[in-house]
Amino acid sequence: SQTIHQWPATLVQPVGSPLSLECTVEGTSNPNLYWYRQAAGRGLQLLFYSVGIGQISSEVPQNLSASRPQDRQFILSSKKLLLSDSGFYLCAWSVQGGALRKNGYTFGSGTRLTVV
Amino acid sequence: KQEVTQIPAALSVPEGENLVLNCSFTDSAIYNLQWFRQDPGKGLTSLLLIQSSQREQTSGRLNASLDKSSGRSTLYIAASQPGDSATYLCLIQGAQKLVFGQGTRLTINP
Repeated sequence: SQTIHQWPATLVQPVGSPLSLECTVEGTSNPNLYWYRQAAGRGLQLLFYSVGIGQISSEVPQNLSASRPQDRQFILSSKKLLLSDSGFYLCAWSVQGGALRKNGYTFGSGTRLTVV
Repeated sequence: KQEVTQIPAALSVPEGENLVLNCSFTDSAIYNLQWFRQDPGKGLTSLLLIQSSQREQTSGRLNASLDKSSGRSTLYIAASQPGDSATYLCLIQGAQKLVFGQGTRLTINP
């Protein structure tokens, strides 16, 4: 069966420090991968998605970047964190192609980031 | 641009009641609609997925319906329990990629 892992679960970082959040998927190959952010009291915002190794699409301009060094690994990074980067970050995966319509999306357990 | 609305934003009901959560969308050209629940500080758990060609899906006490012509989906929860307390989100997948609703925060009172 397919599983998705995110770590760390919680993170407290000072302003200006770097960030690296990791997401890995097991039990599937060539997935679509996504990073979402959920700010306090707000909805889910799509940050990045990837359809393959090295292929990253950014949905909103921001202080963050994403990379996909391996097929089932998706990394969210920042060189210098801002207070506004605080939030709950969720990774998700889906199959590609027509099967996506009947399989939907699977989310990880999330990382709570607090920038102080 | 697809807009997804969930009303009400919050709902509190006594245990045992049947209830309906609503999800409305503006663009009927969707591929599927997925309902999730999110417990505080946790990730999203998929509940039901309805493909665009389907009208409803059922899982246990949950039943989700889809009416593309009216741009509406409902999530019906039968015989609610305190463990059903969570935020419920609908996700629309369509030509305009993915769009989430803002969620309905449900509280079931014992």
